[in-house]
Amino acid sequence: DAKTTQPPSMDCAEGRAANLPCNHSTISGNEYVYWYRQIHSQGPQYIIHGLKNNETNEMASLIITEDRKSSTLILPHATLRDTAVYYCIVSPLTNAGKSTFGDGTTLTVKP
Amino acid sequence: DTGVSQDPRHKITKRGQNVTFRCDPISEHNRLYWYRQTLGQGPEFLTYFQNEAQLEKSRLLSDRFSAERPKGSFSTLEIQRTEQGDSAMYLCASSPRPGALNTEAFFGQGTRLTVV
Repeated sequence: DAKTTQPPSMDCAEGRAANLPCNHSTISGNEYVYWYRQIHSQGPQYIIHGLKNNETNEMASLIITEDRKSSTLILPHATLRDTAVYYCIVSPLTNAGKSTFGDGTTLTVKP
Repeated sequence: DTGVSQDPRHKITKRGQNVTFRCDPISEHNRLYWYRQTLGQGPEFLTYFQNEAQLEKSRLLSDRFSAERPKGSFSTLEIQRTEQGDSAMYLCASSPRPGALNTEAFFGQGTRLTVV
């Protein structure tokens, strides 16, 4: 079973911020939160990861709660090309490629 | 392009036939992973290698499945006596050694297998 829980689908207006939540209440102390996305018929693409501090890169921001039991991925200005399935996973840094994916959140960005 | 490469992209085979897929990871990555993904679901872990050693296999990897990474570079995934239930996208990913600055996995485009 996946270690994370995500809503199955979300909509967002183009140009607005998309906030994708993830619950990981059983996260271990050595596990990081990773986010990937998968555009139709392509392999998953890494977005961002973090341990306990908020993180930002050119693609997104990651907000992790202080108790680390949940996180939010923020796409600041969603575009139509951000329409994809977004996966939140938890994994130790030492083996980040071996992950238990859930079914993710299908984000649809609408014009 | 120095990403993860998978070949073929699509494969249609008759039930009972054997198929083999190839994955070329990013050259400096010593870890390589295989996943399977069925329609509407997230990827499911199958197995992973560190260099040429196969370190873990999922229970999903039945005895009809075998994976190799003979020289620690490319990897092959073979399915013998294919069944219709094997129809799926087979994804390969690679990641750097533990302790590297960036640890995330990079996925290939996948091989879509259809068993008829």
